[in-house]
Amino acid sequence: EPEVTQTPSHQVTQMGQEVILRCVPISNHLYFYWYRQILGQKVEFLVSFYNNEISEKSEIFDDQFSVERPDGSNFTLKIRSTKLEDSAMYFCASSIRGPRSGANVLTFGAGSRLTVL
Amino acid sequence: AQSVTQPDIHITVSEGASLELRCNYSYGATPYLFWYVQSPGQGLQLLLKYFSGDTLVQGIKGFEAEFKRSQSSFNLRKPSVHWSDAAEYFCAVAPRGSNYQLIWGAGTKLIIKP
Repeated sequence: EPEVTQTPSHQVTQMGQEVILRCVPISNHLYFYWYRQILGQKVEFLVSFYNNEISEKSEIFDDQFSVERPDGSNFTLKIRSTKLEDSAMYFCASSIRGPRSGANVLTFGAGSRLTVL
Repeated sequence: AQSVTQPDIHITVSEGASLELRCNYSYGATPYLFWYVQSPGQGLQLLLKYFSGDTLVQGIKGFEAEFKRSQSSFNLRKPSVHWSDAAEYFCAVAPRGSNYQLIWGAGTKLIIKP
């Protein structure tokens, strides 16, 4: 069964460092998403991406965050200068259809756990 | 405000027993409804979804869920749990027409007693 893969599974970084989380969406999917889950809290939407640009983003997704599809397979989330409160599990997801095309189902990756010290 | 409530943080059931995980939502109109499961080290796997039509939906791994509009609920059920069902279960809703902006419940951790 096709799956979304994420690397690294766990990253530990110092506050202020840049972090790049990588995702390989399902190959025929066109829409990509990042979510995060701070320990003990609910999963939160960060951003959606289609056709090489951001479709929508939440208020969490501030200027410290950016996303990119650098090639035909990877979808990355960059945090420019990490803060302690960025420690969370980050989930990538992809879908074959867009959110406004009707019933849509997202496929999630296993997550990347980021720990900021 | 839109919200999803899973009132049980943990549930412990014996292997072979029946299971019901509760989910209530607060939303202006009937949203799309989802149940996801997360096993250790695994991603969020979709168990089942409700978009429209029959309010009793069947999912993978023998799970089903029933949408009750009058109660704003979408409870997940399984008649007989297996030890491999031990995981965390998340209920989520999404507004029609914007169904990536999932609103998530806090999750219910299912523990299976041998």
